[in-house]
Amino acid sequence: KAGVTQTPRYLIKTRGQQVTLSCSPISGHRSVSWYQQTPGQGLQFLFEYFSETQRNKGNFPGRFSGRQFSNSRSEMNVSTLELGDSALYLCASSLFWGKDTQYFGPGTRLTVL
Amino acid sequence: SQELEQSPQSLIVQEGKNLTINCTSSKTLYGLYWYKQKYGEGLIFLMMLQKGGEEKSHEKITAKLDEKKQQSSLHITASQPSHAGIYLCGADRFGNQFYFGTGTSLTVIP
Repeated sequence: KAGVTQTPRYLIKTRGQQVTLSCSPISGHRSVSWYQQTPGQGLQFLFEYFSETQRNKGNFPGRFSGRQFSNSRSEMNVSTLELGDSALYLCASSLFWGKDTQYFGPGTRLTVL
Repeated sequence: SQELEQSPQSLIVQEGKNLTINCTSSKTLYGLYWYKQKYGEGLIFLMMLQKGGEEKSHEKITAKLDEKKQQSSLHITASQPSHAGIYLCGADRFGNQFYFGTGTSLTVIP
């Protein structure tokens, strides 16, 4: 079975721009979660989607948004980029939401200049 | 404040040595996960512990959950360079967001 895939793997943007990251879960997995990883804050939960509905949301500003499609693929969007948004963005998929083992993709490295 | 504290923050060991990483929760643990991450890459699932006293092994890695102490330990026997990376514990809170620990960086010197 193919693992979780994320595109693009690397991205360079400038302040004020917006960015969209994509995640394809493991086949059959219906829940997708997003995380931000930085050296200072570690791994922080952004949001979780299941059946196209956001089930949980972390403590991030409204500039961070996401969505899930009927095929369980998910996208996250960051608008009005700030330097502090530079991070590794990780996507994880699981069979169901809330309490299930999550399997992670390789991540998207976002650099904001 | 961090809900999951890991110790030590970093560890440098000689190949062949045993080592232990601890993960302590400030809240009740319902399920504890261990992951490994190579720098800049995704997380690799190692194992999940659900019940107090539960112990699981995967190759030379053993993890145990002490529900009363709200703590889990990860033990590596006869470490190898392939064990190097960042080890992260994570916990879910019944439908709420998933939390990760502060991470432990492991270096194994050949």
